Amino acid sequence: QKEVEQDPGPLSVPEGAIVSLNCTYSNSAFQYFMWYRQYSRKGPELLMYTYSSGNKEDGRFTAQVDKSSKYISLFIRDSQPSDSATYLCAMSVPGYGQNFVFGPGTRLSVLP
Amino acid sequence: GAVVSQHPSRVICKSGTSVKIECRSLDFQATTMFWYRQFPKQSLMLMATSNEGSKATYEQGVEKDKFLINHASLTLSTLTVTSAHPEDSSFYICSVSGSSYNSPLHFGNGTRLTVT
Repeated sequence: QKEVEQDPGPLSVPEGAIVSLNCTYSNSAFQYFMWYRQYSRKGPELLMYTYSSGNKEDGRFTAQVDKSSKYISLFIRDSQPSDSATYLCAMSVPGYGQNFVFGPGTRLSVLP
Repeated sequence: GAVVSQHPSRVICKSGTSVKIECRSLDFQATTMFWYRQFPKQSLMLMATSNEGSKATYEQGVEKDKFLINHASLTLSTLTVTSAHPEDSSFYICSVSGSSYNSPLHFGNGTRLTVT
């Protein structure tokens, strides 16, 4: 079993739809959870960073963490064509950056 | 968050030559930088941890003599792919962690290397 599982997609939705992206993980030592957006031929851009279980909202984005189920989600409301990208989940144990594990990413296409 | 500049964004080189990629932390002094490699439709793979003023720490399976890392200042780390071969063609991305413990990673825009 991989440490982090993420459906690679591709996922296609119409403009305005609510998008749900998910990752599961197996290592209960992970304490910090992130979502990155990566456009083609670009580096990943940090979208959300959470620590505790529960929800964190930032504009149209909501990150959800359920540590008991080892499951994290990213919801995108009112999706736009500009949201079309690959979304990577990432998680880490406490430290200064050496212990990050990334999911393979889900490719999202928002169709106008 | 940290601002990371990476250069060049794209490079094409001939087999057997060496290529240098620069990574700069623009808004804070990074004692540690990280180099990742990404194959198409695959996740980021950590290659090495670049430590300012000391030797880099390489992940298992990464050849340190092939991927030379120099972290000569608190704002600059370089990755040199030596004697490049077509199988080295990939997307290389550097990152820095914020100055605080448990800070997330912030990435440069990556370098697309194509070895012909």
